[in-house]
Amino acid sequence: DAGVIQSPRHEVTEMGQEVTLRCKPISGHDYLFWYRQTMMRGLELLIYFNNNVPIDDSGMPEDRFSAKMPNASFSTLKIQPSEPRDSAVYFCASSFGLAGFTGELFFGEGSRLTVL
Amino acid sequence: DAKTTQPPSMDCAEGRAANLPCNHSTISGNEYVYWYRQIHSQGPQYIIHGLKNNETNEMASLIITEDRKSSTLILPHATLRDTAVYYCIDLSKTSYDKVIFGPGTSLSVIP
Repeated sequence: DAGVIQSPRHEVTEMGQEVTLRCKPISGHDYLFWYRQTMMRGLELLIYFNNNVPIDDSGMPEDRFSAKMPNASFSTLKIQPSEPRDSAVYFCASSFGLAGFTGELFFGEGSRLTVL
Repeated sequence: DAKTTQPPSMDCAEGRAANLPCNHSTISGNEYVYWYRQIHSQGPQYIIHGLKNNETNEMASLIITEDRKSSTLILPHATLRDTAVYYCIDLSKTSYDKVIFGPGTSLSVIP
């Protein structure tokens, strides 16, 4: 398996533009997670899905952020409108079963977002 | 609400054992201890986990105290490639289906 695949790897955009980040989880995994990492706040959990259903979105910073998982092999994280403070590395991760119990998380390489 | 605590940074000489401590005083009886690491600019990588017994795999060893309130991750022969941030998962915030990362320990392996 190719692992968790994220795109784009790098995105530079201007304030106010819409940004869409994409993730393909490992085939067969039933959990998908979106994290954001900044120097100031570290690695933050934004939202996670189980069997394509959002379970906990309490980490989503505000209404400008939305995430979807239309099927088991694809998820998007959208920011509209984007702001400079959204600049960060966004990681997608997937797991088979309960990652905090006996499973483990597999991370993608991340999408580095810069909002000017 | 006590939570997992780790030293913010550590140094280790190349070839020596790196011992990374973690305190998890509020751990419950059925919660696992998990360790991940993140090499600069990459996504975090799972290392090892355990419940009560000590565990070893090809990457590291995990020593859990008998009362399970602390653990130590051991890299037996640290190399420069082991320079990374090591996360002991924040058990006070983790339920069985999600993983919350604290600030971790930044390990520098020195030649």
